[in-house]
Amino acid sequence: DTGVSQNPRHKITKRGQNVTFRCDPISEHNRLYWYRQTLGQGPEFLTYFQNEAQLEKSRLLSDRFSAERPKGSFSTLEIQRTEQGDSAMYLCASSSSPASLAGSRGLHEQYFGPGTRLTVT
Amino acid sequence: DAKTTQPPSMDCAEGRAANLPCNHSTISGNEYVYWYRQIHSQGPQYIIHGLKNNETNEMASLIITEDRKSSTLILPHATLRDTAVYYCIVRVGGNTGKLIFGQGTTLQVKP
Repeated sequence: DTGVSQNPRHKITKRGQNVTFRCDPISEHNRLYWYRQTLGQGPEFLTYFQNEAQLEKSRLLSDRFSAERPKGSFSTLEIQRTEQGDSAMYLCASSSSPASLAGSRGLHEQYFGPGTRLTVT
Repeated sequence: DAKTTQPPSMDCAEGRAANLPCNHSTISGNEYVYWYRQIHSQGPQYIIHGLKNNETNEMASLIITEDRKSSTLILPHATLRDTAVYYCIVRVGGNTGKLIFGQGTTLQVKP
């Protein structure tokens, strides 16, 4: 399977602990996105990378959250000092950028992973 | 990116066409209409997108009104596996690419 993968799929942690999630995008994609989804709501954008550069961060991404993509391939999302309100599904998606596909219209759908479900007790 | 409005839920009989509406009255001339769906416990899945012409692919058809203020996603022969939340999103094509999801329409396909 060459789709987007995320690990772990489920994580239960106690309030105050740190957690780290990993996302492996589709190999030829240079863009990687993180979203958060709470029950009954649509996904909310957190941040995105083009190659190793983090180009945009949402206001939802508090200073307890940090994301990295050190070599432009996989990415990690760390949450420090977790709170119960951090309980959610964390989704990763990848896509190509307009310049990376010659002859394209520059419109590139995002491919999502299965998500990591975080429960903070 | 323009805001979209969708009905919260719809039912459809298996084998019949499912027509999911979306209003996007503030859409700008350079904004595209995208549809994604999310089956329970999975990540969202791209379905189709369009600018002003109607589009069709192996999954669905997208009908955009002439004034572009609304659109309809059509699943021609709905199956039980099409039960999902369907999101209509408008965004500028070729930009950063972040998707702004609303609450979508929960489509229940019934036997």
